[in-house]
Parts: sequence; C-alpha cells; structure tokens
Amino acid sequence: EPEVTQTPSHQVTQMGQEVILRCVPISNHLYFYWYRQILGQKVEFLVSFYNNEISEKSEIFDDQFSVERPDGSNFTLKIRSTKLEDSAMYFCASLGGNTIYFGEGSWLTVV
Amino acid sequence: GIQVEQSPPDLILQEGANSTLRCNFSDSVNNLQWFHQNPWGQLINLFYIPSGTKQNGRLSATTVATERYSLLYISSSQTTDSGVYFCAVRFGDMRFGAGTRLTVKP
Repeated sequence: EPEVTQTPSHQVTQMGQEVILRCVPISNHLYFYWYRQILGQKVEFLVSFYNNEISEKSEIFDDQFSVERPDGSNFTLKIRSTKLEDSAMYFCASLGGNTIYFGEGSWLTVV
Repeated sequence: GIQVEQSPPDLILQEGANSTLRCNFSDSVNNLQWFHQNPWGQLINLFYIPSGTKQNGRLSATTVATERYSLLYISSSQTTDSGVYFCAVRFGDMRFGAGTRLTVKP
C-alpha cells in the first residue's frame, strides 16, 4: 500500500533554532496537510495545501510557520524560531479520494 | 467550526470483552474516518465511513449522518487493540475528536 513518509522521525533542537520537517506525500494525491499532536493531547490541524498554495490554516499556524512544496514531491513544514511549546509530534497527511493517509510523524523536542 | 466529541474518554477492558466508542459531531460532514493510534504514535486508518455500516474483522463502524454520530464497535478485544481511537470529520480540513484511550488487560 502506498504511504506517506516523513523525516526526521525524531529531532531535538535548541529553542530559537529553525526546524524543517519533511514529508513525501502519496504521489497522485493533490491535497496535503500538517497536523500537530502535543503529548497526550488530541491531533490538531495546522494547515492544508492545494495547488501549490495554502488553502486553509488554523490559529496555531502563525507567522513562525511556513509550508512549501519545493520540488513537486517533497512537502515541508518550517518552524522559524522554535519555542518550548512547539515540542510535539508533527504529522503530514495527504488526501486520496475521500481518505486521508497519515505519515508516521516527526517527533520534535525543543530544549 | 465543526465540534467533534468522543466518549468515553477512557475505557479499560478485559481481553475478550466487547466495546462501543461514540463520536458526535456538530454539523454535516462529507467525510468521517476512524483511526487507531498505536503505542508508537502511528495513526492507522480503520474506516472511511461518512454514512452506513462497515465491518473489518472484529471491528465495525456505523455512521448515522442525519443524527450526527458514529459508533465504533470492537468485539472480542485483544491486548493489541490498546491505544487511542480517534474519530475525525472533514468539511474542508479534517478535525479530530479528543480520542478514547482504550486499555485491554490480559
């Protein structure tokens, strides 16, 4: 079964540093998403991306976050200046038909 | 935006027992999925079920879209069923409920 792949699986970064999380969505999918899950809490929507632009974003997705699809296959989430409260699992997802498929997540720890 | 509520928040079962998890949502949706988050954090698709009933082995799900709820049934539970079960609905972006944490004891 095709899958969404994410790298890195785990990253530890110093507060204030920039982080880029990478995702390779399923190849024929057109809608892509980033979600965040703080430890022990629910999965929260960050942003959706379609046709090379943001289609929706949540209140969490403020100016320190950005997304891009630099080369037609990768889909990245950049956090410009990380804060302690950005520590979470970040999930990438892509939509095929009516079903959303999630990657295995990137666990970000900000220290 | 759409509100998604799941109940119960926590459930502890003995192996072999059956259970029903509930998801209520506040508005019409065009997609509803159930996911299992395993102890390693992976989100596993269980069902795409905007309406009707589906079965997959020991799991089945029913969504009554007109009454804005969905149910996930787990029969003959096993320890490997432990984890968090999320309901997620989509009208635009996909919104998750807070989940039901299931613990199955041997």
